[in-house]
Amino acid sequence: GAVVSQHPSWVICKSGTSVKIECRSLDFQATTMFWYRQFPKQSLMLMATSNEGSKATYEQGVEKDKFLINHASLTLSTLTVTSAHPEDSSFYICSATSGRPYGYTFGSGTRLTVV
Amino acid sequence: TQLLEQSPQFLSIQEGENLTVYCNSSSVFSSLQWYRQEPGEGPVLLVTVVTGGEVKKLKRLTFQFGDARKDSSLHITAAQPGDTGLYLCAAPGGGTSYGKLTFGQGTILTVHP
Repeated sequence: GAVVSQHPSWVICKSGTSVKIECRSLDFQATTMFWYRQFPKQSLMLMATSNEGSKATYEQGVEKDKFLINHASLTLSTLTVTSAHPEDSSFYICSATSGRPYGYTFGSGTRLTVV
Repeated sequence: TQLLEQSPQFLSIQEGENLTVYCNSSSVFSSLQWYRQEPGEGPVLLVTVVTGGEVKKLKRLTFQFGDARKDSSLHITAAQPGDTGLYLCAAPGGGTSYGKLTFGQGTILTVHP
């Protein structure tokens, strides 16, 4: 089946630094990737949608300069949290689809803690 | 943007009990998915329903799609501690939101031995 690898699974960084999270589709070409944020005991909130080779589309209220998304190839998308602050601490999850109906595959998530 | 109202938010039951989780909207869905998520992991797809009135079974889990495709339910029979987790319904958007999955608020299920 379709597999999406997300790395790292957890990261601790100092306030003011930047952190990059990678999302790779291992056995299919991901025409579209999605990035979500999840707070404890809550649902997933969509942050942005990225299509290979084009700029990401951000949801309302998401700062595009803080959360930089790059989708340079059909198998890799990255999310960079710039100048991280403690309030950016969260669980970030990516999802990828090849465009096949109903075919969304999720990564295992990245726990970001900013200290 | 179609909103998915999921209930209940929290469910704490004893092993062997039955339970039902609901997912409702005022919008019509082209399809609906149910996911289960464990702490520290990404959501894992349980089922996709696409036809109004459809019923799908996955061992002790029964999924139903409403006739009007506006609501869905997940029923678990004889719950076990291994069923503990966050259950999420989700539906893909249309129009300008085409392809984007919208999630319900989630149901945190705890099954006590």
